Amino acid sequence: DIVMTQSPDSLAVSLGERATINCKSSQSVLYSSNNKNYLAWYQQKPGQPPKLLIYWASTRESGVPDRFSGSGSGTDFSLTISSLQADDVAVYYCHQYYSGYTFGQGTKLEIK
Amino acid sequence: QVQLQQSGPGLVKPSQTLSLTCAISGDSVSSNSAAWNWIRQSPSRGLEWLGKTYYRSKWYSDFALSVKSRITINVDTSKNQFSLQLDSVTPEDTAVYYCARGADWFDPWGQGTLVTVSS
Repeated sequence: DIVMTQSPDSLAVSLGERATINCKSSQSVLYSSNNKNYLAWYQQKPGQPPKLLIYWASTRESGVPDRFSGSGSGTDFSLTISSLQADDVAVYYCHQYYSGYTFGQGTKLEIK
Repeated sequence: QVQLQQSGPGLVKPSQTLSLTCAISGDSVSSNSAAWNWIRQSPSRGLEWLGKTYYRSKWYSDFALSVKSRITINVDTSKNQFSLQLDSVTPEDTAVYYCARGADWFDPWGQGTLVTVSS
């Protein structure tokens, strides 16, 4: 299985500041034939299912605010929130779909 | 838009079978482009994909190795729904279970069902 490791486990950021969450895969999730990274990001709030934010590592899902962006390639990826809003408090997960399906352990984002 | 509505018991006894159903609206379980998944979430195991079923001129299923010997995913095309059966459950199977659409990323997800395995 591909192991997904997120860092940090928790993060406290001031409102309006930038938040960055990292995700590292144990092997590359870049498919060379189409040059796509098979990686997604989700946001989960308490009592709710995960909500898709980003797929193909950097494509924002329809309706997701543009303060959310994804970057990276191969084995190293990041989710960035450019200006933290109170509504962004949640746990964030990365997810690889290159080989089977595995998730990171989650990063809890709070307001400082 | 596509919505998934889960149903099923929240308490299952050890050694028995866990059964959940996911009703689909806004899409077809027989879609040639979608796949229908079961995923669970627990504090000890995090988010864990369990299996999927999909139709590509015929029905296919894939399962996680961790549950392959115990899992069945059935489809009811007349009700446009799919179901999870997990046999011989133990307390380690206690988790929130989700259904979700997706052959790559998962979207949308069902509302989740907390299933507790306890006597």
